[in-house]
Amino acid sequence: QQPVQSPQAVILREGEDAVINCSSSKALYSVHWYRQKHGEAPVFLMILLKGGEQKGHEKISASFNEKKQQSSLYLTASQLSYSGTYFCGTVPDNYGQNFVFGPGTRLSVLP
Amino acid sequence: EAQVTQNPRYLITVTGKKLTVTCSQNMNHEYMSWYRQDPGLGLRQIYYSMNVEVTDKGDVPEGYKVSRKEKRNFPLILESPSPNQTSLYFCASSLFFRGVLGETQYFGPGTRLLVL
Repeated sequence: QQPVQSPQAVILREGEDAVINCSSSKALYSVHWYRQKHGEAPVFLMILLKGGEQKGHEKISASFNEKKQQSSLYLTASQLSYSGTYFCGTVPDNYGQNFVFGPGTRLSVLP
Repeated sequence: EAQVTQNPRYLITVTGKKLTVTCSQNMNHEYMSWYRQDPGLGLRQIYYSMNVEVTDKGDVPEGYKVSRKEKRNFPLILESPSPNQTSLYFCASSLFFRGVLGETQYFGPGTRLLVL
């Protein structure tokens, strides 16, 4: 079952902040965040594991609320290079190995 | 250089003509997967493999076959392609972490397939 992402699209000015949300109806082991530029392969940004472990970048951070099965990606002081489509991906907490991406959030950062 | 390679990058074919898209990784990853990407639908998993000779269906396996005879290779086979399989295809690989997929996936560059 595909996770739900919101918003579907967001437009920012350089330097503004953004939050992208991802929620699942299933108990999750991990939530992954990827960014994809048009015509290119997705690139890994962040992974959050059940139990609170987190890996990520400087100006991009994320949280994972295990009780609600929700994750949020925070983009701080956005740069033009942040433009692209952001996908969350989920791994279920039942030793399943299938990986399900959300439908994506298109982020456009304007000068 | 650690990478996932796919071939071909672009392919135009006709309905019913069998084709294979190859995928190879040089990172000794156990987990490999195929996705298709269509506008408005995001990336959908077709098949995945947890190791040699171990494969399982993803969300959209109909019309596709895979095999995992070697750890590094995971070809995607379309026995009788149809126009609704026109799409952008990505192969990906990953390590396992604590017995589940808890690490990042590395994606190949993608294969654009057009079925006439």
